[in-house]
Amino acid sequence: AQTVTQSQPEMSVQEAETVTLSCTYDTSESDYYLFWYKQPPSRQMILVIRQEAYKQQNATENRFSVNFQKAAKSFSLKISDSQLGDAAMYFCAYLNYGQNFVFGPGTRLSVLP
Amino acid sequence: DTGVSQDPRHKITKRGQNVTFRCDPISEHNRLYWYRQTLGQGPEFLTYFQNEAQLEKSRLLSDRFSAERPKGSFSTLEIQRTEQGDSAMYLCASSGQGGHLNEKLFFGSGTQLSVL
Repeated sequence: AQTVTQSQPEMSVQEAETVTLSCTYDTSESDYYLFWYKQPPSRQMILVIRQEAYKQQNATENRFSVNFQKAAKSFSLKISDSQLGDAAMYFCAYLNYGQNFVFGPGTRLSVLP
Repeated sequence: DTGVSQDPRHKITKRGQNVTFRCDPISEHNRLYWYRQTLGQGPEFLTYFQNEAQLEKSRLLSDRFSAERPKGSFSTLEIQRTEQGDSAMYLCASSGQGGHLNEKLFFGSGTQLSVL
């Protein structure tokens, strides 16, 4: 079974600084998707960024970028120029097409003014 | 596109009662998922539909839980004889817009269940 691990239960970053959240996963598949979701205190899950495993190029969405290392099964999220609104729980998720999404336990990010 | 909607937003019930939640996915989505989330944890998979077919059900799901998606549109999740351990946020999500190249999971706002 696929598993997703986030080894950092909590992280903090100074406003305007950069922070990296870690994620590793376990799979025997070669074609899959990886996601980062953000869950603010409202508890609404919001998609931050998505990566297809067959693409070597790392995905980027404005201040958010990933470092996807397929051989190492690592998928970290970098947040640049951190803003107070970035404070939230961040969940890494894995999807093998045709199956269900598997989520990691989450990392709570605090942004310090 | 009005997003994924869930009803009710909050439900308080007494132990032993039955509860039913509803989820309306994004209209063109053919896949619908139910997840459960307790505070400080990641969403835990419960079950998944493709159109009206229930394709997967978590082994962790007790027989007291049942889900339906009768016409491949909205879905209901019923919990019978609720227990205090069922207290959680129940999240519905949908995906699928014409092929796996566009796979994204869109979540509703959830139903917060409290069992007293």
